[in-house]
Amino acid sequence: GENVEQHPSTLSVQEGDSAVIKCTYSDSASNYFPWYKQELGKGPQLIIDIRSNVGEKKDQRIAVTLNKTAKHFSLHITETQPEDSAVYFCAAFSQGGSEKLVFGKGTKLTVNP
Amino acid sequence: NAGVTQTPKFRVLKTGQSMTLLCAQDMNHEYMYWYRQDPGMGLRLIHYSVGEGTTAKGEVPDGYNVSRLKKQNFLLGLESAAPSQTSVYFCASREDREKVIEQFFGPGTRLTVL
Repeated sequence: GENVEQHPSTLSVQEGDSAVIKCTYSDSASNYFPWYKQELGKGPQLIIDIRSNVGEKKDQRIAVTLNKTAKHFSLHITETQPEDSAVYFCAAFSQGGSEKLVFGKGTKLTVNP
Repeated sequence: NAGVTQTPKFRVLKTGQSMTLLCAQDMNHEYMYWYRQDPGMGLRLIHYSVGEGTTAKGEVPDGYNVSRLKKQNFLLGLESAAPSQTSVYFCASREDREKVIEQFFGPGTRLTVL
């Protein structure tokens, strides 16, 4: 089955710096890759996603890149703010295949003012 | 719309006790999921349902049962709770449409088994 590895497990940056979180997946049939943000005491919330027919997607300060050949995808947050502090999860999904979302183990991002 | 709601928010059980966690969604979603979240483990799928009256096993189904008698509700049962089931449980739902894969999560239920 699918296996998703996520790095780093913790990341501390200064306000205004960029943050990058990387994930790799094992199943070449996976074709949808969402990123979720989880604030303390809340459920995960989708912040951006990318499909396998696209190499990059941006939404204001957040971007995701996908390298299908290498089976890895990354989340980039620019101009970080204290409210970006949270746990971020990557995931992989095989639409038409297993139809199950497999999550990485999460990255705790801390943005220091 | 309330989205996805979970009941209860917190619960403490003794080993061997049983309980049911309730998930409700008001978005008319076909798919519903139960995950557990443990420190350093991410979210792991317990059971899921692709429509009313259907259920299927996920990655870690042992010790849990589920039922989807109504489209809007997905129940997770623990027949005989064990300390290893101490966790935060999240329910999620999504539409059954090819172009919409986003899963919407509830706020979670924190369960402690003593």
